[in-house]
Amino acid sequence: RKEVEQDPGPFNVPEGATVAFNCTYSNSASQSFFWYRQDCRKEPKLLMSVYSSGNEDGRFTAQLNRASQYISLLIRDSKLSDSATYLCVVNYAGGTSYGKLTFGQGTILTVHP
Amino acid sequence: DGGITQSPKYLFRKEGQNVTLSCEQNLNHDAMYWYRQDPGQGLRLIYYSQIVNDFQKGDIAEGYSVSREKKESFPLTVTSAQKNPTAFYLCASTPTGAWYQPQHFGDGTRLSIL
Repeated sequence: RKEVEQDPGPFNVPEGATVAFNCTYSNSASQSFFWYRQDCRKEPKLLMSVYSSGNEDGRFTAQLNRASQYISLLIRDSKLSDSATYLCVVNYAGGTSYGKLTFGQGTILTVHP
Repeated sequence: DGGITQSPKYLFRKEGQNVTLSCEQNLNHDAMYWYRQDPGQGLRLIYYSQIVNDFQKGDIAEGYSVSREKKESFPLTVTSAQKNPTAFYLCASTPTGAWYQPQHFGDGTRLSIL
C-alpha cells in the first residue's frame, strides 16, 4: 500500500463547478498535512495546510480525519486558473528533528469554459 | 527577495558523466532537501541536510551525492552510477526546529540524458 494515495483523476469540470479531492495516508503517526498545487513543468507551491478542525481559504476548504487517515480538498466555484495538479502531502518526524514529507502522486484538475 | 535558487533550469548528461545541480537559499534556513519527480508521480526524497557539514540519505540516495559546506548551499551531484537520471529535481528548505512547517521549493532543474 502506498504511504499517501490520491485519486489521479483527471478531473474535468466546467467553470463554476465544485470539485473534491480525497487522499488517504497509511502512517497513523503522521503529524502535519498539506495540499500543494503544481502547474505544468513548475515547482509545487503550498496551497494550504490542513488542520484537524478543518480550514478554509476563500474558495478552498481542507479537512482532516485522523481516525480514518483521510484528507480532503474542496474547491468551490472553480476557475480556469485552478487547472493544475494537486498534491496531497503528509509530514512525519518520527522522533527526529526532521520532517519527512511524503507526497501523493497528484490529482490532475482541468477546468474548462 | 528571499528564496531558493536552482540552476541550471535544464541540464543534459552524457553517458558516464557526473553532473552537479546547484541549490542556493538566502532564507537563513538550516534544513535543506533534494527531491526527484518523475512524470505522473509524487516527489521522492534523495538527500537532506539539517546543518552545515551534515547530511542524511533519503529514500532514493543511490547514484547521488551531496555536500553542505555552507548554510546557503546544498549542491547535488548525479553520478554515472545513477542509471535513470532523467527527472525533474527540486530543492527545498525549512528552518531547523520547524520540521512541521511546509517546505518551499526552488523552481527546479530538468535533467535529461543525451
